[in-house]
Amino acid sequence: QVELVESGGGVVQPGTSLRLSCAASGFSFSTHGMHWVRQAPGKGLEWVAVTSYDGSNKYYVDSVKGRFTISRDNSKNTLYLQMNSLRVEDTAVYYCAKERTVVVAAEFDYWGQGTLVTVSS
Amino acid sequence: QSALTQPPSASGSPGQSVAISCTGTSSDVGGYNYVSWYQQHPGKAPKLMIYEVSKRPSGVPDRFSGSKSGNTASLTVSGLQAEDEADYYCASHAGSMKGVFGTGTKVTV
Repeated sequence: QVELVESGGGVVQPGTSLRLSCAASGFSFSTHGMHWVRQAPGKGLEWVAVTSYDGSNKYYVDSVKGRFTISRDNSKNTLYLQMNSLRVEDTAVYYCAKERTVVVAAEFDYWGQGTLVTVSS
Repeated sequence: QSALTQPPSASGSPGQSVAISCTGTSSDVGGYNYVSWYQQHPGKAPKLMIYEVSKRPSGVPDRFSGSKSGNTASLTVSGLQAEDEADYYCASHAGSMKGVFGTGTKVTV
């Protein structure tokens, strides 16, 4: 069965960096686009970033452009989110989510359990 | 990249129906037939309930249905059950592989 397991969250100070990982199994990782979605405490879902199946195309929400980088290693079935220059407002649970089909349509059929990132001084 | 607009709350008694709207623009909801709906219980990851506007994944009860007209999509839950009490989010393709979520609706049964 499909499983997505995030790791790498923690408590960091503003201006610092953190790298999240998402280990995928149970499906053909190398043929599917993958996304990061976040949810601030008590708030709604926010789409953050997407990578195409081969990593050649990447897009971001405006608020993280230039600070976050999404990447993937298909040999390791792992998705990453490098987060630099972190801000207090980046505090959230970060979910990785699998695209439902090989077409990237922002439809997410499987989600990880989430990893909490807290940015605080 | 503005969030899609949903009502903050909706409610109904067991057995009744509730409808949730999701309003976007021609650049997202109105421009693509890639509208999806997610159910989220407290402390849990979201669960896909509807995709491609009106299709249900395997295992989702047929009490859940979706539709779209212009820039507004809707989720209807018929025959409300206690376990349907949750937060519901719409999402849409927003061009160039991007996604956008709705503001979320808390459904109370």
